[in-house]
Amino acid sequence: QQPVQSPQAVILREGEDAVINCSSSKALYSVHWYRQKHGEAPVFLMILLKGGEQKGHDKISASFNEKKQQSSLYLTASQLSYSGTYFCGTESGSARQLTFGSGTQLTVLP
Amino acid sequence: DVKVTQSSRYLVKRTGEKVFLECVQDMDHENMFWYRQDPGLGLRLIYFSYDVKMKEKGDIPEGYSVSREKKERFSLILESASTNQTSMYLCASSLYARAHAFFGQGTRLTVV
Repeated sequence: QQPVQSPQAVILREGEDAVINCSSSKALYSVHWYRQKHGEAPVFLMILLKGGEQKGHDKISASFNEKKQQSSLYLTASQLSYSGTYFCGTESGSARQLTFGSGTQLTVLP
Repeated sequence: DVKVTQSSRYLVKRTGEKVFLECVQDMDHENMFWYRQDPGLGLRLIYFSYDVKMKEKGDIPEGYSVSREKKERFSLILESASTNQTSMYLCASSLYARAHAFFGQGTRLTVV
């Protein structure tokens, strides 16, 4: 079953912040985040493996709340290059499969 | 550089045809995946494989089958293509479970 992402779309001005949420009805073992620019393949951003783990690079970070079965992606001081569709992917229990949400379309305007 | 290569970027096939989508990875990855991407639905898992000759159904396997005879190659087969299988198909691979995935450029399939 696909994880649920929110919001479905967000429009920002350069320099503004955004949060994208991902939640699952299943207990999660890991959460992946990817970004896909128009006409390109999805590209890996980060993976969170433990409940409570937080990661980040540059001005993009994420957290993983294992108890709530959810993860959030934080984009700080957004840049034009952050535009794209963000997907969370989840792995549950012993399943080896990687299941993705429906995506969040992020548009950063000058 | 890591590479996942899909054999075609664009394909047009007729209803009822048997269609093969090929994917090759050059990273010696254990896991390989086939997804279809449709607007508003995100990436939906069709099939995945964690070893040669092993395959597991994903969330939407109906109308599809797969083949993995060699570690580097994972094929998606549409036994009898239908118009509702018109979509973008993405192949991905990962080194092992819980490792991040690398995606191919995608094949845009149109069934007429």
